[in-house]
Amino acid sequence: DTGVSQNPRHKITKRGQNVTFRCDPISEHNRLYWYRQTLGQGPEFLTYFQNEAQLEKSRLLSDRFSAERPKGSFSTLEIQRTEQGDSAMYLCASSSLPRETQYFGPGTRLLVL
Amino acid sequence: AQKITQTQPGMFVQEKEAVTLDCTYDTSDPSYGLFWYKQPSSGEMIFLIYQGSYDQQNATEGRYSLNFQKARKSANLVISASQLGDSAMYFCAMREGLEGYQKVTFGIGTKLQVIP
Repeated sequence: DTGVSQNPRHKITKRGQNVTFRCDPISEHNRLYWYRQTLGQGPEFLTYFQNEAQLEKSRLLSDRFSAERPKGSFSTLEIQRTEQGDSAMYLCASSSLPRETQYFGPGTRLLVL
Repeated sequence: AQKITQTQPGMFVQEKEAVTLDCTYDTSDPSYGLFWYKQPSSGEMIFLIYQGSYDQQNATEGRYSLNFQKARKSANLVISASQLGDSAMYFCAMREGLEGYQKVTFGIGTKLQVIP
């Protein structure tokens, strides 16, 4: 399977703990995106990378959130000092030229207790 | 103003019938792209169909077609011959600007239920 993969698929943590999610994009895609989706809403953009460069960050991405894509391949999204409001589905997507259609992974469901 | 508006929170359709899911968008940029995604209960967003603002013809992909009315800023998804597996959330999304700018905005979705 050469689609976008995300790990873990589910994460339960206690408030105040740090969590890290991983995304492996489609291999030939140079752009990678993170979104957050809460119940009853569409995905909200968090950040995106072109190769290893982080080109845009949403205001939704507070100082507790950090994303990296160190070698332009996989990416990690870390949330420090989690809060109950961070409970959501975190989606990763990747794309490439020419159309730049974003293909999504299965997501990581985070529950903060 | 909402960039993407989906006014149907839920829709029902009889199996084998066609259904139209509404989407209107708001942008002042002449160059944009419109997407539809399907999200089953498992959570994965599945790409269905794309329409570019300069495309002359409405996009079609198998049983999916996009009724693109540029002057009205609408991009409705038409699913023909509905199947039980079509039951899911459907999201309309827009990318503004040239293809070098990648931020995509999603609507709140429409829940489609196909009735046997």
